[in-house]
Amino acid sequence: DAGVTQSPTHLIKTRGQQVTLRCSPKSGHDTVSWYQQALGQGPQFIFQYYEEEERQRGNFPDRFSGHQFPNYSSELNVNALLLGDSALYLCASSLARSVGETQYFGPGTRLLVL
Amino acid sequence: AQSVTQPDIHITVSEGASLELRCNYSYGATPYLFWYVQSPGQGLQLLLKYFSGDTLVQGIKGFEAEFKRSQSSFNLRKPSVHWSDAAEYFCAVGRPPQTGANNLFFGTGTRLTVIP
Repeated sequence: DAGVTQSPTHLIKTRGQQVTLRCSPKSGHDTVSWYQQALGQGPQFIFQYYEEEERQRGNFPDRFSGHQFPNYSSELNVNALLLGDSALYLCASSLARSVGETQYFGPGTRLLVL
Repeated sequence: AQSVTQPDIHITVSEGASLELRCNYSYGATPYLFWYVQSPGQGLQLLLKYFSGDTLVQGIKGFEAEFKRSQSSFNLRKPSVHWSDAAEYFCAVGRPPQTGANNLFFGTGTRLTVIP
C-alpha cells in the first residue's frame, strides 16, 4: 500500500521565479492538504483540496495556489518566490467523512529560494 | 481559535529512561488531538490520535498519551526510550470535520535527544 508521495524531493529557485510541487495521496484517500514548515517551526496549514476544489485555506497570500486532479493527486504552485518561502512543503492525505479524517504525511519537498 | 503549546523545545534523556513530552491546547470544544514524529529530513509519521472515549490512547513504537480535559493537555509518554526515538515530536489539534474544517494546528515541536 503506497503512502503519500511527493516530488521533487529538493528544489532550488531564485527570487521571483515560480515553482510547482506535486503530491500523490495514499491509496484510497480523496483529500489533500498542504503545509509549510519553516526551519525550526511546526507545519503551518496552507490549503486543502477535496473533489477538485479548495475546501479551506490558511493564512497564506494568493501567490500560493493549488489544484487537485480527478485521480486525487495535487499540485502546489507558488508564484513570485520570496526568500521567506524557503521551507519544507508537506503534503498530507486523508479520507473525507472518515472518523477524524486523520492526515497522513508525505516526506516533503525542500525548497530553497536564493 | 485553536493553538498548541509545547513548552519544552529540547529534551535529553538517557536510553532506557522514561519520557514525557508536554502538550497544551486551546480549543473551544472537544478537539481531535494528534502526536506526530519527524526524523531529520523526513516527513511526519503519526504516532497516535485521540478523538473520543478512553482518555488514555496507545500508539505505535510503545508510545501512549493521555487526554486531560481539565488541564487542556495531551502529554506523550514512553516508559523506556530507545536510541531510535531521537527525533522531533509535534503535537497537533484538529477540529471535528462536521465543522467544515479539519486542518491541523501544530505546536512548535520538541526535539528529543537520547544519550547512551
